[in-house]
Amino acid sequence: GAVVSQHPSRVICKSGTSVKIECRSLDFQATTMFWYRQFPKQSLMLMATSNEGSKATYEQGVEKDKFLINHASLTLSTLTVTSAHPEDSSFYICSAYRPNTGELFFGEGSRLTVL
Amino acid sequence: GDSVTQMEGPVTLSEEAFLTINCTYTATGYPSLFWYVQYPGEGLQLLLKATKADDKGSNKGFEATYRKETTSFHLEKGSVQVSDSAVYFCALSGANFGNEKLTFGTGTRLTIIP
Repeated sequence: GAVVSQHPSRVICKSGTSVKIECRSLDFQATTMFWYRQFPKQSLMLMATSNEGSKATYEQGVEKDKFLINHASLTLSTLTVTSAHPEDSSFYICSAYRPNTGELFFGEGSRLTVL
Repeated sequence: GDSVTQMEGPVTLSEEAFLTINCTYTATGYPSLFWYVQYPGEGLQLLLKATKADDKGSNKGFEATYRKETTSFHLEKGSVQVSDSAVYFCALSGANFGNEKLTFGTGTRLTIIP
C-alpha cells in the first residue's frame, strides 16, 4: 500500500482563493520532503525542499510567498498556493525521504485547477 | 545544470513486444540514475537504479545499463505485458541515492495492447 499520501487528489478553486495540499508519510518519519510541479507533457520540476522544523528551501524562480510550505511534523508537509490564479493550475507531487532506509517515496499527486 | 532527455511518447506496443525507452543525461560528476514508474492513480515508484558506470539495474523484467561513454540509461524489457502500461520517468541525482533532489525527464506513457 501507499506509504505517502497526498490530499486532496483533485481540487478546483476560484481565482484569488488559497488552496492547501497535504503530504503525509504514513508509516515512517520523513525528515525531508520535496514538492514538485508538473505541467502537461513536461517533466517534474522541483519547487522546494521541506525540512522538518525549519524553513523550506525554494528552487530558483519559485515564489516563496506564493507557494507556502510548512513541515510542522515528521509526518506532514503542506503546500499552500496563495491567491491562486489560472496559471497555477498544475499537477503537484510530493515525495518523502525515509532516512533509515535511504528510500524516497512519492505521493499520488494533486491536480489543481484554478478557474 | 543537470538535465535528462527522455524519449517522447506515447508509446503503444502489442503484448510480448520488445520495449526500449531511450534516456540520455547531462550532469557534472558522477550522478546516480533511476527509472521510476507511475501506474494510473498511484504515486511514482522506483523501478530500478544504477549508481556507477556499467552498473545494470533490473527489476520486474526491466533492465537499464549506466553508460557513461554515451551518457545514456535506456530502459528495456524483452516481452511486455498489459500490466506494464504506465508512465515511465528517467531521473538522476547528484549523489548516491538519498535525499538529494532528483532531476526528471518528461515521462513516457506506455500502453500495451493485448
